[in-house]
Amino acid sequence: GIQVEQSPPDLILQEGANSTLRCNFSDSVNNLQWFHQNPWGQLINLFYIPSGTKQNGRLSATTVATERYSLLYISSSQTTDSGVYFCAVEGTGNTPLVFGKGTRLSVIA
Amino acid sequence: EPEVTQTPSHQVTQMGQEVILRCVPISNHLYFYWYRQILGQKVEFLVSFYNNEISEKSEIFDDQFSVERPDGSNFTLKIRSTKLEDSAMYFCASSEVRVIETQYFGPGTRLLVL
Repeated sequence: GIQVEQSPPDLILQEGANSTLRCNFSDSVNNLQWFHQNPWGQLINLFYIPSGTKQNGRLSATTVATERYSLLYISSSQTTDSGVYFCAVEGTGNTPLVFGKGTRLSVIA
Repeated sequence: EPEVTQTPSHQVTQMGQEVILRCVPISNHLYFYWYRQILGQKVEFLVSFYNNEISEKSEIFDDQFSVERPDGSNFTLKIRSTKLEDSAMYFCASSEVRVIETQYFGPGTRLLVL
């Protein structure tokens, strides 16, 4: 099945810093979503982005489907951005959503 | 904004007991899913459900698990005889169509099997 790799596995940032999280996937996808898992365990939808670029406030994401990667940008990070960021993809051919192992982000004041 | 809801938020049970986890998907959605996340690990697909039947399931979804849509709003996951290794966060999700569509996740049920 499709493989999803996220990097880096862990990231520590000073408040106000910018960061880029990466998601590589091994095959063509119909769906790619970025999630933020907060300290209470809830999965918050950030972006649905199988291709192209989207922005939502301090967050933006770009997926280059032909090169099989997606990037999540966090600008001016805040302590509330801390948590685990997951990339999940759905391959072509009616396959289920496959999650990466996540990037654990810690933003310190 | 419509959202997926799940109950209970936490459940503690004894090994061997049956548990039922409940979900109310977004009302106009047609596809429903269960995922689980063992503590510290990634989220894993369990099962998808459409038109009152299972459309896909993973290796994890063995005979101990079952799903049901008992009425027009609820979607349930039953674990018949819980094991210690069933302890996990269970997420329900729904989508309007099967592909090329966002899956919306509920807040999860944290299950602890003692």
